[in-house]
Amino acid sequence: DAKTTQPPSMDCAEGRAANLPCNHSTISGNEYVYWYRQIHSQGPQYIIHGLKNNETNEMASLIITEDRKSSTLILPHATLRDTAVYYCIVRVLPNKLIFGTGTLLAVQP
Amino acid sequence: ETGVTQTPRHLVMGMTNKKSLKCEQHLGHNAMYWYKQSAKKPLELMFVYSLEERVENNSVPSRFSPECPNSSHLFLHLHTLQPEDSALYLCASSQATVTYNEQFFGPGTRLTVL
Repeated sequence: DAKTTQPPSMDCAEGRAANLPCNHSTISGNEYVYWYRQIHSQGPQYIIHGLKNNETNEMASLIITEDRKSSTLILPHATLRDTAVYYCIVRVLPNKLIFGTGTLLAVQP
Repeated sequence: ETGVTQTPRHLVMGMTNKKSLKCEQHLGHNAMYWYKQSAKKPLELMFVYSLEERVENNSVPSRFSPECPNSSHLFLHLHTLQPEDSALYLCASSQATVTYNEQFFGPGTRLTVL
């Protein structure tokens, strides 16, 4: 079973920041948080991952709370092409990602 | 383009047919995966191969038979499938490490079983 809880859907205006929350209250100390997204009818795409510290790359920023029980993925300037299902995943075992139902982010023009 | 290709992209088969799905990765990875994604359900991990050996089999019915002849190729052989096996089948690859697991996914094969 997935160890994460995400809202089923969110809306965001184009050009604004999209903040996608994720709860992972049972996360263990050595478990990473991964974010993937899946655009309709395509394979999932890796976005970012982190353990304790906040992380940023060219796609997004990941903010992990100090107690590690929740995190937020931030898309700083959402575009219509960012409309997708976003998955927050706590990696349980090496080489094994357990996907939940994710959050459908709809970017509105 | 992720470096992972899958063929065919679409497949329609009858319940008595035998077919195979093919996945190829051009990333130099040593772990490969098959996932199943049914309508409105999360991705389900079916098989994991690491260094060409099967390390995970999530209780998948025997009508699905994986084959990994080398680290770049992965097959899923299908026989006597059921209509409920209709789904998007996704292949992925990664480096097999303990601490890091960025998986690269192919575009998937959309399978319809009649």
